Amino acid sequence: GENVEQHPSTLSVQEGDSAVIKCTYSDSASNYFPWYKQELGKGPQLIIDIRSNVGEKKDQRIAVTLNKTAKHFSLHITETQPEDSAVYFCAASRSGNNNDMRFGAGTRLTVKP
Amino acid sequence: EAGVAQSPRYKIIEKRQSVAFWCNPISGHATLYWYQQILGQGPKLLIQFQNNGVVDDSQLPKDRFSAERLKGVDSTLKIQPAKLEDSAVYLCASSLSSGNYEQYFGPGTRLTVT
Repeated sequence: GENVEQHPSTLSVQEGDSAVIKCTYSDSASNYFPWYKQELGKGPQLIIDIRSNVGEKKDQRIAVTLNKTAKHFSLHITETQPEDSAVYFCAASRSGNNNDMRFGAGTRLTVKP
Repeated sequence: EAGVAQSPRYKIIEKRQSVAFWCNPISGHATLYWYQQILGQGPKLLIQFQNNGVVDDSQLPKDRFSAERLKGVDSTLKIQPAKLEDSAVYLCASSLSSGNYEQYFGPGTRLTVT
């Protein structure tokens, strides 16, 4: 089955700096890659996703890149703000159905003011 | 629009006791998911419903876990008997349908088994 690895497990940046979180996946048939943000005491919330027919997607300060050949994808957050502090999860799915989605272990991002 | 509701938010039980969690998905969402999130890990799918039918329960430990969604709306997840390793946050999510539609997660129930 799919295995998703996520790095780093913790990341601390200064406000205004950029943050990058990287994930690798094992199943070359995976074709949908969402990123979730989980704040303390809340459930994960989808912040951006990318499908395998696209190499990059951007939404304001957030961007995701996908390298299908290398089987890795990354989340980029620019101009970080303290409210970006949270745990971020990547995930991968192959079936077009959410039931085979596998999540990474998460990255705890801290943005210091 | 109201989000996914879950109750209780916290539960502490002793091992071998039973516990039940309740979830009310977003109105109109046909698909409902239960996830287990152990501390320091990502969510792991336990069971997925499409309306009141089970789509996938391959990762549900059926000797002790059960779930139902009788009328295709609310759902309950039960553990009986609980083990120490069941300590986790149990997340409910819903989506419009069963494809790669956005999943909306509830706040979760934090279960501690002592």
